[in-house]
Amino acid sequence: SQQGEEDPQALSIQEGENATMNCSYKTSINNLQWYRQNSGRGLVHLILIRSNEREKHSGRLRVTLDTSKKSSSLLITASRAADTASYFCATMIYNQGGKLIFGQGTELSVKP
Amino acid sequence: KAGVTQTPRYLIKTRGQQVTLSCSPISGHRSVSWYQQTPGQGLQFLFEYFSETQRNKGNFPGRFSGRQFSNSRSEMNVSTLELGDSALYLCASSEGTSGFTGELFFGEGSRLTVL
Repeated sequence: SQQGEEDPQALSIQEGENATMNCSYKTSINNLQWYRQNSGRGLVHLILIRSNEREKHSGRLRVTLDTSKKSSSLLITASRAADTASYFCATMIYNQGGKLIFGQGTELSVKP
Repeated sequence: KAGVTQTPRYLIKTRGQQVTLSCSPISGHRSVSWYQQTPGQGLQFLFEYFSETQRNKGNFPGRFSGRQFSNSRSEMNVSTLELGDSALYLCASSEGTSGFTGELFFGEGSRLTVL
């Protein structure tokens, strides 16, 4: 069964706007990761946040983690058409490195 | 470094046949994980191999099996194919050492269509 639930399922914005995606999960985790997938291709790792971290930045990406609410959010600032893709959160549980439990994903469309 | 390589990229099979997919991990990576992606079920973990041993297993029937060779390359096999096995099969590699908790590197996937 899926560990993570994501919302929204689909998001359409204009170039230059910010995009926010949310993820919730069910069990205790070691870390939470975000991946991007372009139309049926492989997944690309974006950012990883550990359970003892609350916020992390990488370029135009900002991710937050609230372990008390078992939720995370990914913010993409100043979006570009090239950001159009599906975004997945994935959780890694203690002592199960190599095994990720994915959410259903958010399909982001950025219009030029 | 070369990335994760999966072969074949596309294949079509008929019900009842079997299929073998191959994955070559990033050089130096000892862990290989397999995932199935379908529109209905999303991304689901199949199994993980580390140093030729299955370390983790998802909730898939015994028709799904895998193995890892001494050079860390991995294969997965699906026997007695069903229509519902049509999916994108993704392989991911990582350092995978004991206590590893980092990012996975994914290949482009093998898209299987079962007719």
